[in-house]
Amino acid sequence: AQSVTQLDSQVPVFEEAPVELRCNYSSSVSVYLFWYVQYPNQGLQLLLKYLSGSTLVKGINGFEAEFNKSQTSFHLRKPSVHISDTAEYFCAVTLSGGYQKVTFGTGTKLQVIP
Amino acid sequence: KAGVTQTPRYLIKTRGQQVTLSCSPISGHRSVSWYQQTPGQGLQFLFEYFSETQRNKGNFPGRFSGRQFSNSRSEMNVSTLELGDSALYLCASSWTGGEDTIYFGEGSWLTVV
Repeated sequence: AQSVTQLDSQVPVFEEAPVELRCNYSSSVSVYLFWYVQYPNQGLQLLLKYLSGSTLVKGINGFEAEFNKSQTSFHLRKPSVHISDTAEYFCAVTLSGGYQKVTFGTGTKLQVIP
Repeated sequence: KAGVTQTPRYLIKTRGQQVTLSCSPISGHRSVSWYQQTPGQGLQFLFEYFSETQRNKGNFPGRFSGRQFSNSRSEMNVSTLELGDSALYLCASSWTGGEDTIYFGEGSWLTVV
């Protein structure tokens, strides 16, 4: 079975500073990887996904992530954060070619400090 | 186009009661999945339906059940509610599942007292 680990439960960062949210996964087979964002009292919104091909994936709102198979990581980055990026971010994995059983990490709360 | 719609958005139930939550997927989407979100356990997969068939199921007791109708709308039911069932229940839909992007609704907040 696949699993996802988000090591940081909370990440405070000053506005306009860069940020990296870490995600490591575990699976014995090929996987698809996702990052979702959840704003307060809302559902989840897809930021980006990795299915195959280029290991650098660009998403919405200026976020990007890099798939590293050897380190089984899929860290999310943004070069300059904005107050509006304050939210909870979830890394997720599902088996490639599999059905919609998505396994989520425990989430990282990004707090952007003005 | 309309997103994933979940009803009701908020509800309060008493221990021992049962509850039914409804989800209308995005038009054309045939895969519907359900997740439970709690502060302690995070986001946990409940089950996924495609063309009225349950394709996958998470590790939840039999009190949690679901179904999908021919129009792809889905319902989930929780019987004999326990305090620990208090959670945000999220529904998500996609075209067929797998690598398709899944779109989440805003969820149904269930409080069990």
